[in-house]
Amino acid sequence: AQSVSQHNHHVILSEAASLELGCNYSYGGTVNLFWYVQYPGQHLQLLLKYFSGDPLVKGIKGFEAEFIKSKFSFNLRKPSVQWSDTAEYFCAVNVKAAGNKLTFGGGTRVLVKP
Amino acid sequence: EAGVTQFPSHSVIEKGQTVTLRCDPISGHDNLYWYRRVMGKEIKFLLHFVKESKQDESGMPNNRFLAERTGGTYSTLKVQPAELEDSGVYFCASSRPGQGAYEQYFGPGTRLTVT
Repeated sequence: AQSVSQHNHHVILSEAASLELGCNYSYGGTVNLFWYVQYPGQHLQLLLKYFSGDPLVKGIKGFEAEFIKSKFSFNLRKPSVQWSDTAEYFCAVNVKAAGNKLTFGGGTRVLVKP
Repeated sequence: EAGVTQFPSHSVIEKGQTVTLRCDPISGHDNLYWYRRVMGKEIKFLLHFVKESKQDESGMPNNRFLAERTGGTYSTLKVQPAELEDSGVYFCASSRPGQGAYEQYFGPGTRLTVT
């Protein structure tokens, strides 16, 4: 069965610092990749997605992610975080051969100190 | 467009009782999914409806869980009888038919506590 690993459970950083969250998955076939974010008290929102094409994808709020097929990775980055980026971030993978279901990583809680 | 809605937002029940969770997908979304997050662990897939049909129920933990989507609109997830390990947040998501099916929109979740 496929699995998704997020390397950090908790990240604490100051405003204006750069953020990178790691995500690796364990399936070798065709995948769709996603990052979701859950702000405090809110529901899961799609941050960005990769289906095909340019492996560097840009999402909302200045986030981007890079798909590196050889490393089975889809890391999320933001050059300069804001206090409002405090949230929990989830990497998710859809294995095309297995239908529409998403397999999620364990989530990373990010706290940005003002 | 209105988002995915779930009811109730919280439910506290005793072990052995029955609870029914409801999800209303975004209008026009044929695909409806249930997920669960237990004890701060990863969010796990439970099942997938296409309209009123169960497309994939590989994630349902056992036969105490029953999901329905009569008429292909809203869905219910019943847990009967509830056990302590069923506590967690139950998320519903929906997606469009066709090419948009992979992009899922999530509801706010129902936090279930079994005591």
